[in-house]
Amino acid sequence: QVQLVQSGAEVKKPGASVKVSCKASGYTFTTYTMHWVRQAPGQRLEWMGWINAGNGNTKYSQKFQGRVTIIRDSSASTAYMELSSLRSEDTAVYYCARETHYGSGSYLAYWGQGTLVTVSS
Amino acid sequence: DIQMTQSPSSLSASVGDRVTITCRASQSISSHLNWYQQKPGKAPKLLIYAASSLQSGVPSRFSGSGSGTDFTLTIRSLQPEDFATYYCQQSYSSPWTFGQGTKVEIK
Repeated sequence: QVQLVQSGAEVKKPGASVKVSCKASGYTFTTYTMHWVRQAPGQRLEWMGWINAGNGNTKYSQKFQGRVTIIRDSSASTAYMELSSLRSEDTAVYYCARETHYGSGSYLAYWGQGTLVTVSS
Repeated sequence: DIQMTQSPSSLSASVGDRVTITCRASQSISSHLNWYQQKPGKAPKLLIYAASSLQSGVPSRFSGSGSGTDFTLTIRSLQPEDFATYYCQQSYSSPWTFGQGTKVEIK
C-alpha cells in the first residue's frame, strides 16, 4: 500500500531555514510526481510546488519562488522540501502528496501525515 | 492565478440530511476539479476527481457534478463520520489552487 511518511515537527527562529522529508513506500518512487502543500492555522490549503521524482524537474508557486527548494533522493525514495528565510507567517502544517494522472487531469490521492513547522522567536 | 470560491463557508446539518456545497472558479477549468474531505489534525482525503468521478473506497452517498466554472459536491444522506471540512481544488493550471473550505457541523 502506498505510504508517505514525513519527518517530525520543527521549531525555527525567523530567518532560519527548515527542511522537511517525505519517505515514500509501496510504489515505484520515480514514476510519480510529488507535490508539497501547506496549511496555516485556520487557513485553506496552499500549493507550494512539485518535483518529478523521475527526472528531478521542479515547478514552484510564484509565491514561494526563491525561498523554496524541492529535491529528491531516488535511492532513498524520499522527497525533501526546504523553505528559507522563515517568517512567522510560515507557521503551518506542511504536507507532501503524490500526484496521480487521469486523462488530461491530475489529483492528489495519497498524502503524508503532515509536519508542523512553527516559526517563533 | 485561478481563484476558487466555495459556498457556504459553513453549514449545520443533521444526520440523514442532503447537503450541497458549491465551488466556483474564476475562469473555466473544464472538469479539472477535485474534492477533498479534511478532519481536524488529519491530512486531506480525496473524495471526487475530474468533477464527478468517485475515488475508490469512497461511499456512494458522495457525488460531484459540474464543468466550466461551477461545481457541486453533494452528500446524499449525511452520516456522523461526514462532519468535516470540504475543499475543492483545481488542477487545470499552475498554481493549483484550493477553495477556502466548507465546514459541515452537526445541527
